[in-house]
Amino acid sequence: GENVEQHPSTLSVQEGDSAVIKCTYSDSASNYFPWYKQELGKGPQLIIDIRSNVGEKKDQRIAVTLNKTAKHFSLHITETQPEDSAVYFCAASGYSSASKIIFGSGTRLSIRP
Amino acid sequence: KAGVTQTPRYLIKTRGQQVTLSCSPISGHRSVSWYQQTPGQGLQFLFEYFSETQRNKGNFPGRFSGRQFSNSRSEMNVSTLELGDSALYLCASSLRETSYNEQFFGPGTRLTVL
Repeated sequence: GENVEQHPSTLSVQEGDSAVIKCTYSDSASNYFPWYKQELGKGPQLIIDIRSNVGEKKDQRIAVTLNKTAKHFSLHITETQPEDSAVYFCAASGYSSASKIIFGSGTRLSIRP
Repeated sequence: KAGVTQTPRYLIKTRGQQVTLSCSPISGHRSVSWYQQTPGQGLQFLFEYFSETQRNKGNFPGRFSGRQFSNSRSEMNVSTLELGDSALYLCASSLRETSYNEQFFGPGTRLTVL
């Protein structure tokens, strides 16, 4: 069945450095790729998304890149800050109403002061 | 604009009981999806409702069911609870069908089955 693999499962970076989280999906029909941030005790919050007709999207310190040929997409956070510490999930879904959204297993990002 | 609300926030039940969780979507949103989140399995899709109709269903046993009302509020029910049903149950709403559309998550209901 459809699958989304996410790496790494944990990531610790120095404050001010960059963090990169990578995901690979299996369903070639996938064309919507959101990223969610989940803080302790809260539900996931959408931080950025990308659609298949775009290769890269940036929003301030956050950027996402998509390689449809290789079925890879990545989240890049630059100039990391303590408030970036959270669990990040990638996901993939398709256009049709029957398409299910599949989530990656999550990455616990810790920012060291 | 108020976000997605879920009630109750915490629930403790025993094996064999049943439970009903409630979700109120963002005003104007017509799609509600439910997810189960556990440390071992991550975020797993349960089902999606749009305009009171179930549009999609994940790979969960028939003990898990749901419904959506005309005001878009949704409930999910789990019957004959098992220890493995202990999880955070998340509800998410979106303007239209989930696929290809931004979802907004609620804070979740933490269910513990003893």
